[in-house]
Amino acid sequence: DAGVIQSPRHEVTEMGQEVTLRCKPISGHNSLFWYRQTMMRGLELLIYFNNNVPIDDSGMPEDRFSAKMPNASFSTLKIQPSEPRDSAVYFCASSRPGTSANEQFFGPGTRLTVL
Amino acid sequence: GQSLEQPSEVTAVEGAIVQINCTYQTSGFYGLSWYQQHDGGAPTFLSYNALDGLEETGRFSSFLSRSDSYGYLLLQELQMKDSASYFCALVTGGGNKLTFGTGTQLKVEL
Repeated sequence: DAGVIQSPRHEVTEMGQEVTLRCKPISGHNSLFWYRQTMMRGLELLIYFNNNVPIDDSGMPEDRFSAKMPNASFSTLKIQPSEPRDSAVYFCASSRPGTSANEQFFGPGTRLTVL
Repeated sequence: GQSLEQPSEVTAVEGAIVQINCTYQTSGFYGLSWYQQHDGGAPTFLSYNALDGLEETGRFSSFLSRSDSYGYLLLQELQMKDSASYFCALVTGGGNKLTFGTGTQLKVEL
């Protein structure tokens, strides 16, 4: 079975540009999570969806960040405009229905560098 | 909110046993999970404690004490491939969220 798929794996962009990160969760999973990982702040939850509905976006740093999940097999995280401090590894994760979030399956991540 | 603290680094010898501690502060939670992350890789699930006590999964065991706000991950028969970062994480938000600790980098030496 395929795991969580993320694209692109690496993204280098210039400050002010729009960045879109993509995620395909594991088929049959109904919860999807977006995380950001940096050395300074560790692994932070940005937003999570349950059955395609955003449940908690309290971790989204500011209005420049937005996330959507138009269907059960696709989600995007958009940063517009991007800033150097957004440089980080962004992970998408999914979990099965009927379980708590204790076991999440992470994608390989997108390493974002904003110059 | 929640906060979790772990030692930043632990070093141990191949074949030994190592314990990685996690202390936390929270107003309520469902359980404590543990994840492993190799350099450049993604976090992968290791173990979960919903109740106090010890959970064993192969060479890995995890322990939780709610009264002490404390948990640990125990790794036995250490192998070089166990060199990685290990994170504890509280399950909160109605069981739907993970709040991760600061992470412990484990170095296994010959």
